[in-house]
Amino acid sequence: AQSVAQPEDQVNVAEGNPLTVKCTYSVSGNPYLFWYVQYPNRGLQFLLKYITGDNLVKGSYGFEAEFNKSQTSFHLKKPSALVSDSALYFCAKSRAGSYQLTFGKGTKLSVIP
Amino acid sequence: DVKVTQSSRYLVKRTGEKVFLECVQDMDHENMFWYRQDPGLGLRLIYFSYDVKMKEKGDIPEGYSVSREKKERFSLILESASTNQTSMYLCASSSPGQNAYEQYFGPGTRLTVT
Repeated sequence: AQSVAQPEDQVNVAEGNPLTVKCTYSVSGNPYLFWYVQYPNRGLQFLLKYITGDNLVKGSYGFEAEFNKSQTSFHLKKPSALVSDSALYFCAKSRAGSYQLTFGKGTKLSVIP
Repeated sequence: DVKVTQSSRYLVKRTGEKVFLECVQDMDHENMFWYRQDPGLGLRLIYFSYDVKMKEKGDIPEGYSVSREKKERFSLILESASTNQTSMYLCASSSPGQNAYEQYFGPGTRLTVT
């Protein structure tokens, strides 16, 4: 069973509109959850993380994510999309007892001018 | 800022060749990782290391080996390259403790095996 699921291969959104990139995870203890972004021809960059505490986590570039334990989801959001947000987004989950991460398959976000 | 560098951005090798991919980080991180990235499959962990001369298999270690002789350097070795190892290879590092899960990635090496 997939540990981290990103149900959408691609998300298209108009510039200025709110965006959501979805992520769900399989339950195993109290996982740490992460979002990374990959711009074209570059490595992954850390965006934000949920460890504990407030369910709404704020990160870089105006992104935020909401941890929902009952729905086992950690969706990435931004109130107003920019063309420069177009990239590949990966959700990741920590593995119990190690420093490894399990990544989702990625969602390509395209922001249309 | 943490900097993770990889020896090549693009590499073309022939089937059966021995291939070395080098990764160097400059922030004294204990933890280092090698992933491969394929479209539709996301990132898959090949090997990782928590200390010098220490290595552990990830999810897809077959056909690969690693070497960590110095703390800052983590090498991925393809003993006999095959066409199904054509992929993007990403190296990452992280510090121990509270921020251990926050991994810093290199720019990647796109390897083509012909």
